[in-house]
Amino acid sequence: GAGVSQTPSNKVTEKGKYVELRCDPISGHTALYWYRQSLGQGPEFLIYFQGTGAADDSGLPNDRFFAVRPEGSVSTLKIQRTERGDSAVYLCASSPDRILGTEAFFGQGTRLTVV
Amino acid sequence: GESVGLHLPTLSVQEGDNSIINCAYSNSASDYFIWYKQESGKGPQFIIDIRSNMDKRQGQRVTVLLNKTVKHLSLQIAATQPGDSAVYFCAERGNSGYSTLTFGKGTMLLVSP
Repeated sequence: GAGVSQTPSNKVTEKGKYVELRCDPISGHTALYWYRQSLGQGPEFLIYFQGTGAADDSGLPNDRFFAVRPEGSVSTLKIQRTERGDSAVYLCASSPDRILGTEAFFGQGTRLTVV
Repeated sequence: GESVGLHLPTLSVQEGDNSIINCAYSNSASDYFIWYKQESGKGPQFIIDIRSNMDKRQGQRVTVLLNKTVKHLSLQIAATQPGDSAVYFCAERGNSGYSTLTFGKGTMLLVSP
């Protein structure tokens, strides 16, 4: 596609439930990033993939959060036993090659609300 | 959409003025910097980038200045337009291994017609 696509755009879930957020990066981009943005804050890094592997997952807040990118393209961010504090906009970005330091293109985000 | 601008520093300017948005970055080893624009309900949009071996870079109506001595980055927008109203974030990337982008707190720019 023309840009990074994230689905769903909005997700409301009950506390304790499991959710999956999907990211379709720009075709051919090897690097993929997940960020979380709370109201009034800048995006906060969660995890970075280079190809299929998670090169840096140091931003994941705890073991309830997990992300995969099995074929080096689409990525899924998974949150178990959701808590109200998980409510935020989850942003995905992709870039052609991290080594070259090229810009990262962001999707519109998924707004997660845990009630 | 829900605003991302609450509780952020705000710069209010008149249409046609030049705007300067400042950012203090944290890592002296960062080698790459990007300015992003974020409108309400949307993801961040790339504006301009600069590498640490440069101190100035110009784009269309925008200029980024980098002062590594004091770890300061600025974004200058010439002839600001109402469509420039948004939250602006600077982001830095460290130079080690698979370093990722770290975002600053953001500044809301409000442009009055």
